[in-house]
Amino acid sequence: SAVISQKPSRDICQRGTSLTIQCQVDSQVTMMFWYRQQPGQSLTLIATANQGSEATYESGFVIDKFPISRPNLTFSTLTVSNMSPEDSSIYLCSVLPSGTTQYGYTFGSGTRLTVV
Amino acid sequence: AQSVSQHNHHVILSEAASLELGCNYSYGGTVNLFWYVQYPGQHLQLLLKYFSGDPLVKGIKGFEAEFIKSKFSFNLRKPSVQWSDTAEYFCAVFRGTDKLIFGTGTRLQVFP
Repeated sequence: SAVISQKPSRDICQRGTSLTIQCQVDSQVTMMFWYRQQPGQSLTLIATANQGSEATYESGFVIDKFPISRPNLTFSTLTVSNMSPEDSSIYLCSVLPSGTTQYGYTFGSGTRLTVV
Repeated sequence: AQSVSQHNHHVILSEAASLELGCNYSYGGTVNLFWYVQYPGQHLQLLLKYFSGDPLVKGIKGFEAEFIKSKFSFNLRKPSVQWSDTAEYFCAVFRGTDKLIFGTGTRLQVFP
């Protein structure tokens, strides 16, 4: 299955600033997904990122707040903009290896973000 | 609204006890079902999955799950838990629209 490297692993940021999270996959994948896991809660899908097109955002998430780049088939970034303490969460990158659910989704180790 | 429900939010067991974690979904049609585990400080790992065929699915580390279509359920079971099973367990449903939707998660604590 694919191996995902996600950076940074954690960060503490001042409110009002922005943080860009990087996700690197060791193989080419069509679709990459960004999730948020708020403290004590489950994973919520933020958006789906396809190479060569704009990301598709889920209800409650907007591009101005969470701009996403997908420059090639192995890399994506998620930016958390104009941060507030409510953005403190774990952000995870996920991919679907081989374009099929047969092997399940693979997840990165996550970025633990604390906004102060 | 369509959703994935895990009714047990926090389960505390002693070693060797049996485990069953509930998962229900409300989507119609064909779904793929997953259980993921997140050990403390680690990333999500796939425990087992169901696509079709035998509704009793066996996964890693002695876990199994049973798909009951009429009940829209995919409960996770293990006959005898170990301290090392302490983790967060997530049920997830793939609806065929390239989106994996997670349940709220169940925190399992196993005491020696």
